[in-house]
Amino acid sequence: DTEVTQTPKHLVMGMTNKKSLKCEQHMGHRAMYWYKQKAKKPPELMFVYSYEKLSINESVPSRFSPECPNSSLLNLHLHALQPEDSALYLCASSQAPTQETQYFGPGTRLLVL
Amino acid sequence: SQQGEEDPQALSIQEGENATMNCSYKTSINNLQWYRQNSGRGLVHLILIRSNEREKHSGRLRVTLDTSKKSSSLLITASRAADTASYFCATAQPGGFQKLVFGTGTRLLVSP
Repeated sequence: DTEVTQTPKHLVMGMTNKKSLKCEQHMGHRAMYWYKQKAKKPPELMFVYSYEKLSINESVPSRFSPECPNSSLLNLHLHALQPEDSALYLCASSQAPTQETQYFGPGTRLLVL
Repeated sequence: SQQGEEDPQALSIQEGENATMNCSYKTSINNLQWYRQNSGRGLVHLILIRSNEREKHSGRLRVTLDTSKKSSSLLITASRAADTASYFCATAQPGGFQKLVFGTGTRLLVSP
């Protein structure tokens, strides 16, 4: 299984809602990543988890809260988002944090109203 | 911003033609990778070239790297309609975690 799955595919939420994005991989990878991608822009790194510990936070606002419950699962909890947070949220994994190739999921397209 | 620049921003060609896209970056790198993205969905890893390599091939793909000019190019030969996508270069800096910094991307349209 060489797949990274993400749910939901689409999400619409209000600014007062709380929602979560889910990412799963069963490749035994020990590094997982969250990226944010605005329309017609490149992906931008948000968080890196290495061996289930948060290793990198790229100065992301606290309304985004990542969680890694186990080595296969990565969540991104969303609360009090702003309309400018509307974007495609991509999850990726790699065999190890120093391993070069990252495998991406299909993304969750988020719209904040 | 450490973001790399890619050119052209958009490229439109006919099936069977070759497509070349270029990437320039700003800092020392450990490796440079190319990814493809279809219709705003997930990225697919295409090829990786390390800082001590100058050229690499994979099927119809040819990548070159010039670290003195901090630039790379991706050549897709004999393009197909299915190659229509956005292509991003991504650089990883030496040491530590593989933090990928993506270039601005090239949107390729291959017409039948």
